[in-house]
Amino acid sequence: QKEVEQNSGPLSVPEGAIASLNCTYSDRGSQSFFWYRQYSGKSPELIMFIYSNGDKEDGRFTAQLNKASQYVSLLIRDSQPSDSATYLCAAGAGSYQLTFGKGTKLSVIP
Amino acid sequence: EAEVAQSPRYKITEKSQAVAFWCDPISGHATLYWYRQILGQGPELLVQFQDESVVDDSQLPKDRFSAERLKGVDSTLKIQPAELGDSAMYLCASSLGGPGNTIYFGEGSWLTVV
Repeated sequence: QKEVEQNSGPLSVPEGAIASLNCTYSDRGSQSFFWYRQYSGKSPELIMFIYSNGDKEDGRFTAQLNKASQYVSLLIRDSQPSDSATYLCAAGAGSYQLTFGKGTKLSVIP
Repeated sequence: EAEVAQSPRYKITEKSQAVAFWCDPISGHATLYWYRQILGQGPELLVQFQDESVVDDSQLPKDRFSAERLKGVDSTLKIQPAELGDSAMYLCASSLGGPGNTIYFGEGSWLTVV
């Protein structure tokens, strides 16, 4: 059974701080990893994807992947109240499917 | 920007009635997915199509759910009869297919069964 585990939170950070979201996955065959943001009542929207070990930066967002530890993280720098949402981690394997975690709820306090 | 279209956005139905959801993927996307998301949970895959063929429907409750993508473009997900536990958001998504290809979601269809 493929599983993606996330701390459900809520994670509260003050505005301007760094938010750190973590995710572990069980399937060693997973090759691609995605972070989606989901506002309450809305559908998930893609923030970033990462395939290789190491860091990948896109604006205020940095995704980190460690395949040996089966660990993925998302850092949000200079957090803004508009970043308050649920962040979904997903892992993809050869069947082109994504297995999602339950999401971590982030609250950025002004 | 191309989008995945879904309808209806909201549906309230009585228990034991039939309900259907429609999805039109991004043009050119061969792979189409139906996910179900219960409040507070992550999306769970119900069915995956590659063109008009079902690739994976192992998590689809086939006694009451059916899905089709007859011409390999748009798709319909049907529930008959609906049960209270089916209340959820039904998400359609599409991708070009292939390892690592990004999956894009539609706005979702909210179902409430009363």
